Amino acid sequence: GAVVSQHPSRVICKSGTSVKIECRSLDFQATTMFWYRQFPKKSLMLMATSNEGSKATYEQGVEKDKFLINHASLTLSTLTVTSAHPEDSSFYICSARDLAGGYTEAFFGQGTRLTVV
Amino acid sequence: SQQGEEDPQALSIQEGENATMNCSYKTSINNLQWYRQNSGRGLVHLILIRSNEREKHSGRLRVTLDTSKKSSSLLITASWAADTASYFCATDPYSSASKIIFGSGTRLSIRP
Repeated sequence: GAVVSQHPSRVICKSGTSVKIECRSLDFQATTMFWYRQFPKKSLMLMATSNEGSKATYEQGVEKDKFLINHASLTLSTLTVTSAHPEDSSFYICSARDLAGGYTEAFFGQGTRLTVV
Repeated sequence: SQQGEEDPQALSIQEGENATMNCSYKTSINNLQWYRQNSGRGLVHLILIRSNEREKHSGRLRVTLDTSKKSSSLLITASWAADTASYFCATDPYSSASKIIFGSGTRLSIRP
């Protein structure tokens, strides 16, 4: 199946700093990418949907100024956690799909474990 | 908000036994997928069943889908210790949003 690469897999940052997470589709064009957040022992909650070249659509309750999403190309989307705080510590997973030619499967990255100290 | 609910939330069985997990959802779907997640790791795609399919097999996995009841089940036969993980159903809704929504998950523990 198609490969989605997410980087970094783990990151530790100091409170108040910003962290950028990258999500790349390696062998297909991702017209649409999704970002999920997962708290320990919980399910994945959709944070936002981004279409290439457009502003991201955020789910209710997700702070768009805190979680900046950029989808500038068909193979790359980034999630930047700005002014991170310990409560932002979580597992973040991206997903990508190509909707240009009709329905296709979504593929997931391996996730990024963010720890804010 | 999450669409799917899974039961049980946690399941502990003896190695060699079968494990059955259920998933219910709320809206019409294109397909339903099952994923496995080992503790602290990413998602592993297990199987996809389309809305016009009723049952699908993949190795030791059997998935059923009942669109009239908006429910699905995942059966793992002859479980191994390595099957210990969290299992999530994920629905791909029949809408232009095309965003996959995950169920609450089942934590499966296989006792050796």
